[in-house]
Amino acid sequence: AQKITQTQPGMFVQEKEAVTLDCTYDTSDPSYGLFWYKQPSSGEMIFLIYQGSYDQQNATEGRYSLNFQKARKSANLVISASQLGDSAMYFCAMREEPNQAGTALIFGKGTTLSVSS
Amino acid sequence: DAGVTQSPTHLIKTRGQQVTLRCSPISGHKSVSWYQQVLGQGPQFIFQYYEKEERGRGNFPDRFSARQFPNYSSELNVNALLLGDSALYLCASSSGLASSYNEQFFGPGTRLTVL
Repeated sequence: AQKITQTQPGMFVQEKEAVTLDCTYDTSDPSYGLFWYKQPSSGEMIFLIYQGSYDQQNATEGRYSLNFQKARKSANLVISASQLGDSAMYFCAMREEPNQAGTALIFGKGTTLSVSS
Repeated sequence: DAGVTQSPTHLIKTRGQQVTLRCSPISGHKSVSWYQQVLGQGPQFIFQYYEKEERGRGNFPDRFSARQFPNYSSELNVNALLLGDSALYLCASSSGLASSYNEQFFGPGTRLTVL
């Protein structure tokens, strides 16, 4: 069974608008972390934001915020005031703890975001 | 400070050959993880090494092996290459192992093409 589900293969948004990228996860572990990464065409994975399962407040990092709904097991990324440079692939990932594979990240299939002027 | 570095950037091999990919973590980081990213998919975990010991292994065949050196750099080896091994191989380093929040910093990747 998929542990991280990203149901939007592609999203389109205009500059300066906000966009929400969806992510749902599946785990029975009470302690886990959720991550969002950005991957431009160059290939490097860029860390954006982190949410711990015990965190009471939604994480925010500049224009990025994470809409964490624990009961629904969703961790949507909200990008405010989109910029052309935001065009990239976005991945949601989870790390469970304890984890048989150390601190391995489990990634979703990603969402391609295209920002137009 | 230098980020995670990987070499080579690109590599072309033929089926049946062997390949070695290299990764240098961020200075001070003791944990290195390897991921395989097939085109159009998210990265899949292959190995994690911490303090030169294997701490985790993903669902990959024994053709894949890795090691970590005393300076914490790492090599990923793939034997008997198959066409399906064509992918972007990403290395990530982190300072520790224990907590659920342990930010992993990724390198630029090595793009392997198997013909």
